[in-house]
Formats: sequence, C-alpha cells, structure tokens
Amino acid sequence: GAVVSQHPSWVICKSGTSVKIECRSLDFQATTMFWYRQFPKQSLMLMATSNEGSKATYEQGVEKDKFLINHASLTLSTLTVTSAHPEDSSFYICSAREWGLAGATDTQYFGPGTRLTVL
Amino acid sequence: RKEVEQDPGPFNVPEGATVAFNCTYSNSASQSFFWYRQDCRKEPKLLMSVYSSGNEDGRFTAQLNRASQYISLLIRDSKLSDSATYLCVVNIGTGRRALTFGSGTRLQVQP
Repeated sequence: GAVVSQHPSWVICKSGTSVKIECRSLDFQATTMFWYRQFPKQSLMLMATSNEGSKATYEQGVEKDKFLINHASLTLSTLTVTSAHPEDSSFYICSAREWGLAGATDTQYFGPGTRLTVL
Repeated sequence: RKEVEQDPGPFNVPEGATVAFNCTYSNSASQSFFWYRQDCRKEPKLLMSVYSSGNEDGRFTAQLNRASQYISLLIRDSKLSDSATYLCVVNIGTGRRALTFGSGTRLQVQP
C-alpha cells in the first residue's frame, strides 16, 4: 500500500512555542490531505482538510489561526500549532487520499502520527 | 447523537473464540464504510472495506445493513495478535471526503 510519513514522531515543547508537523506522501501524489487529532481514549477527530494549492478547510471549532496548514506541493502538507498550550497536547495524525479507478472507493492512508506534549 | 457509534468494550475473549462488533451510523447518505484497526499509540490501519453484499478476508467478515444503518465485523478463531481497538469508519459524503471515526471497540484476546 501507499506510504505516508510524518515528522517528527513525537515532540515536547514549552507553552507558547510553535510546533510544525510535516506529512508526506512518499510514493503517490495527494491533492488532498487530512489532519486529525486524537485525545486519549477518544476517537480521531477531523481538524481540517488540506488542499494542494488552496486554503485549508477547517472543521467547526478548530481555530484556523492557531492551526496553520500549508499544502504547497502534491506530496507535502504541514500543520503548525502556534502558541501551543498544554490543552493542545494530543496525537496528531495526517492522512493522504489516493484516487482509485473511476467508480472505485478511494483509499486514505495514514501517517504514523505525531505525539505532541506541551509543558 | 454521534455520527458513528460503537460499544467501547473491552471485549475479553479467549484465543480461538469468535467475536462480533457492531457499529451504527446516523447519516443515511453515508457512502463508504470501513473497519480500521488501531494499536495502542499507533495510527489506524485499514483492516477492510465493507460492501453491501458483505465481504470476507480470511478470518474477518464484514457486513453492511443500509436499512438499519449498521455495520458489523466478525472475527473467527481469535489470535493474541488480534488484540487492538477496532474502529468503525464512515465516509458521510455530502462532498466531504474525510472519514468519520467511531470511538472504537477494544478487543483483548487472552491465552
């Protein structure tokens, strides 16, 4: 299957700093990538849809000025958590969509996730 | 009401047992259905897609009931390595191509 990488795999930072997380599709082009967040013992929650060459679409309740998304190429999307606070500590996972054949169900591949801890 | 609902479990079963999980979804316009598996502190991994006619992959069988808006996953001959959280996942359509996740059902297979 297709491979999606994320970097870093984990990060610990001080409150008030910014953290950038990269999501790359390694062997396919992804016009759309998705960013999810998962708190302990909860389900993945979609934060935003990242579209190559255009602005991201944010889900209700997600602050676009706090979670900056850039999708400058077909293989890379970045999520920057600005002025991070302890409540932003979570598991952030990206996924990239690979188009299948016409009429087939498209498939999303997940990156390994980034565990963010804000002190 | 949550868009995708699952019994959180945990389901504790002995090796070799058969176990079934159910999931219900609220949006009747949902288009695609999946079961993902997530190990502790790891990303979700696609286990199988779910088709209207039902489908089987080895020890795993998935079924979809559109009329009742539920999805099931049956695991036969459980292995220790099947211990994980199983996520029911739905593409609710309406132009969105992201996935909506259930909170997951935890399975613990015991020796």
